[in-house]
Amino acid sequence: QVQLKETGPDLVQLTQTLSITCTVSGFSLTTYNVHWVRQPPGKGLEWMGAMWNGGGTDYNSAFKSRLSISRDTSKSQVFLKMNSLQTDDTAKYFCAMLGLDYWGQGVMVTVSS
Amino acid sequence: DIVMTQSPFSLAVSEGEMVTINCKSSQSLLSSGNQKNYLAWYQQKPGQSPKLLIYYASTRQSGVPDRFIGSGSGTDFTLTISDVQAEDLADYYCLQHYSSPTFGAGTKLELK
Repeated sequence: QVQLKETGPDLVQLTQTLSITCTVSGFSLTTYNVHWVRQPPGKGLEWMGAMWNGGGTDYNSAFKSRLSISRDTSKSQVFLKMNSLQTDDTAKYFCAMLGLDYWGQGVMVTVSS
Repeated sequence: DIVMTQSPFSLAVSEGEMVTINCKSSQSLLSSGNQKNYLAWYQQKPGQSPKLLIYYASTRQSGVPDRFIGSGSGTDFTLTISDVQAEDLADYYCLQHYSSPTFGAGTKLELK
């Protein structure tokens, strides 16, 4: 069955880089798109970007200068990297197949000074 | 970027009531190619990942109770929950995916 699982750090230092891996199973990354969505504590959902099945990417303009999404199809993994972290980047980060309603459980990342 | 304006921010209801949540997009979400509106509705309960309720503005996801009804076209969309049940108390979000996706700010459905 389709599964997505995020792995990443619980804590990242201010101004450092966040790296999260989304490992998928049950489908091919060359067939379906994978999105990144985040949610600060007590706040709403924010779309960050996507890895398209053809290998291209799309980014929310709010993050464009510091966000990078890539993939390794052989490992069925999609990667999120975001630099220059600030305290307001504290959030739960999800990978998801938005159109098909498959989501990971999310990873809660706290940015600490 | 398409901006999604969702209202209200919160709603207090009693079981059995009907509620309406609105989303307005800054541009039309209707594709001229297939006449589909690229608008979805999600439900999120505390501590859980969001769950898709409605896609293409009015198509109910498999397994979603028929008390959840999506309507609208172009730039104005509505999620109606008739006969609200206690299990419906959650946050609701609209999402446009006509272009780079954007979520509405969310609506918290609470018990009166």
